[in-house]
Order: sequence, then C-alpha cells, then structure tokens
Amino acid sequence: EVQLVESGGGLVRPGGSLRLSCAASGFTFSSYAMSWVRQAPGKGLEWVSAISGGGGSTYYADSVRGRFTISRDNSKNALYLQMNSLRAEDTAIYYCAKRVASIVATISHFDYWGQGTLVTVSS
Amino acid sequence: EIVLTQSPATLSLSPGERATLSCRASQSVSSSLAWYQQKPGQAPRLLIFDASNRATGIPARFRGSGSGTDFTLTISSLEPEDFAVYYCQQRTNWPITFGQGTRLEIK
Repeated sequence: EVQLVESGGGLVRPGGSLRLSCAASGFTFSSYAMSWVRQAPGKGLEWVSAISGGGGSTYYADSVRGRFTISRDNSKNALYLQMNSLRAEDTAIYYCAKRVASIVATISHFDYWGQGTLVTVSS
Repeated sequence: EIVLTQSPATLSLSPGERATLSCRASQSVSSSLAWYQQKPGQAPRLLIFDASNRATGIPARFRGSGSGTDFTLTISSLEPEDFAVYYCQQRTNWPITFGQGTRLEIK
C-alpha cells in the first residue's frame, strides 16, 4: 500500500526557515518523480516544486524559486522541501504527491497524496 | 503559464442528477489534463488522468472527456458522497497548474 507521510510543518516568523519531509513507502521510490503541492486556507491547489526520480532535475513555481529547495534521499525513501525567507503568503497545507505510475515524465498528474502538513508564517 | 478556468464556480444539484463540470485551458494541453476531488479536511483524490482515464478504484459514473483546450468531467448520477470540490490540472508545460475549482453542493 502506497503511503506518503509529511512532517515538519509549524509556526514560523516571516523571514524564517523550515524543512518539510515526506516519508514514502509501498512503492519503488527512486523510480518516481515527486512533487510538493500547497493549499492556502480556504483556497485552491498550487503546485510548488517537482523532482525527478533520480533527483537530477528540479522544477519550481515562480512564487518560490530562489527561496525553496526540493531534494530527495532515495536510500531513505524521503522527499524534502527546504523553505527559506518565508512569507505570510506561504502559509498553507503542504502536500507531497507521487506521479501517476503510467506517466513516465517528471511532469505528471498525481495518484497518491499525503495528508499534508500545515505551515503557518506569522509574527 | 497555462491558465485553467473552471466553470461554474458552484454547481447545485440533487442526488441522482447528472453533473457536468468544465475546464478550459488558455492554450492547448493536448490530452494532458486530470481531475481531482477534494472533500473538507482531506487530500485531493485523483479521479481522471490524461483527459479520459479513470484512476484505480474510481466508479464508472465519473467520465472525463475533451482535448486541446476544452474538457468536461461528467458524473452520470450523483451519489451523496460526490458533493465536494473538483479541480482540473494540466501537465503539458511547467509550471504545473490547477484550475480554481468547482464546488458541487447539494441542492
């Protein structure tokens, strides 16, 4: 059974940093591109970042480029999002999501999602 | 950036009725469009990928159609558990983008 479990969210002051983690199980993690998608309170879904299965290719939304860094450790079946220079508008639930199995490309739809971790940026 | 526009914003229907949700792209996304369902307090759930392929475990009453710039999600006969928010998503170009959502509510 595929499981994605996010952790690392919390309350942080503007300008601060936070590192999110996503623990994956139930599939061959290194074979799948992964993404982070966020949802501000009461708002829609916003894709944040993606990484290829091997970790060699990364992609970012303009809203986070230069502040956030996506990475993965395939030996630990873990996905990360390092978030620096946080702003109030980064407040959201952050989901990690797995690409659809039958789509080989890094740019994909998402067939499994974690339960999300809440990041609140406030003074 | 490809902008996805969903309509209507809110759809009020009764159980047993047919629901038709629309997603229009600002440029062609070929067939690279997905639909998700999200209920309060839950993560999104993939319903349809690549325009018309039902995801694993999704009932046959959910049908996706369209290509290019115009897409439709049809729910043939609404069940009580279908009332939720629905999002479309494209995977043609970076950045990946989502529509703003359609809220399907009980009339």
